[in-house]
Amino acid sequence: DTGVSQDPRHKITKRGQNVTFRCDPISEHNRLYWYRQTLGQGPEFLTYFQNEAQLEKSRLLSDRFSAERPKGSFSTLEIQRTEQGDSAMYLCASDPGLVGYTDTQYFGPGTRLTVL
Amino acid sequence: DAKTTQPTSMDCAEGRAANLPCNHSTISGNEYVYWYRQIHSQGPQYIIHGLKNNETNEMASLIITEDRKSSTLILPHATLRDTAVYYCIALMGAGNMLTFGGGTRLMVKP
Repeated sequence: DTGVSQDPRHKITKRGQNVTFRCDPISEHNRLYWYRQTLGQGPEFLTYFQNEAQLEKSRLLSDRFSAERPKGSFSTLEIQRTEQGDSAMYLCASDPGLVGYTDTQYFGPGTRLTVL
Repeated sequence: DAKTTQPTSMDCAEGRAANLPCNHSTISGNEYVYWYRQIHSQGPQYIIHGLKNNETNEMASLIITEDRKSSTLILPHATLRDTAVYYCIALMGAGNMLTFGGGTRLMVKP
């Protein structure tokens, strides 16, 4: 257990429905990352936050995806109008976010999404 | 971040050392070498990282060549629980996303 928690661990939904995932990073970690991992592939970066500011977004993050970190603590990732191609493991990671340092990211267990 | 190249798969006998190579010939001077592993259906687990010097922790040792173009992760006494996909990543600076390649699938056999 790294201290990063994600909820739910599994989600099955029907195509067209909206889903929301939550990530609780390690306490006092300033940076929070979202990644997506499809079967047989390595994780791919989606977006990251420095405190409450969303600083970078991948081109993988279509306009159906939105992420928030309103108080700089937990984060949510919402997918609207889900498609079967959204089926994947969604991973959250956090690091201390100390300016000028290369920090180690610690990952949560992931949320596995299945879109039927 | 520099691209890394790893063998697709490796086998290791239980109790023996597992040596996992990684090539990163285009690595820049301020890029760290990070190793993560991912056991089936779990989130990636941090193992170790280094810049220039060899590093050791309770999980593994990291040997980086003098020219920094390659490195080797060593699991000194592999167990069945070390069966996983191992990722070598070159990472520059804080706040950069991790770029995972295909990794090496290590199978530890009895």
